Amino acid sequence: DGGITQSPKYLFRKEGQNVTLSCEQNLNHDAMYWYRQDPGQGLRLIYYSQIVNDFQKGDIAEGYSVSREKKESFPLTVTSAQKNPTAFYLCASKIQGGPGELFFGEGSRLTVL
Amino acid sequence: GESVGLHLPTLSVQEGDNSIINCAYSNSASDYFIWYKQESGKGPQFIIDIRSNMDKRQGQRVTVLLNKTVKHLSLQIAATQPGDSAVYFCADFTGGGNKLTFGTGTQLKVEL
Repeated sequence: DGGITQSPKYLFRKEGQNVTLSCEQNLNHDAMYWYRQDPGQGLRLIYYSQIVNDFQKGDIAEGYSVSREKKESFPLTVTSAQKNPTAFYLCASKIQGGPGELFFGEGSRLTVL
Repeated sequence: GESVGLHLPTLSVQEGDNSIINCAYSNSASDYFIWYKQESGKGPQFIIDIRSNMDKRQGQRVTVLLNKTVKHLSLQIAATQPGDSAVYFCADFTGGGNKLTFGTGTQLKVEL
């Protein structure tokens, strides 16, 4: 079945460690996105990529890094520079070319101890 | 700055009643809006969308209304069911259609 797969679903890390969250899609979508969601709040855009080997900062990119070496993959690294990394992270994708539905993964919940 | 926001954080309705979830937006350049449903611990699911050249769009048990004059969007759910309990987000596209900006969300609680 086509879709977006995020892993791991739950992740615990010690403060100061870098963490990489995986996002893979087999929908043949060009654009991919990472959002952060804090309890009781909406989604905030971290990074997005419209095409392979290109990505742009979203509204809260500080302390995060991404890569887009393959169309299917858009991993997110939460670095030690991110001051409050505990959150629910959502990856999404869509067909490129203007407005359209974003398809979301099931999310990764990161807890920093 | 530009933002998409919701009027009420929590809405409680009786099973079988109709639900109306409201959303105000401030970006007059927004031309495409989406409603998402998010169940606890899961990713958002697409419900319905509407373009700015439309005032109303209907889906299965859901209707979205767009009032561009007052920059207001609403989601109506007919005959609300327990399975409709979730957080509902409105979102709009900015930046040439490549950035989706989300509102804060409304928690819908369906009482039996």
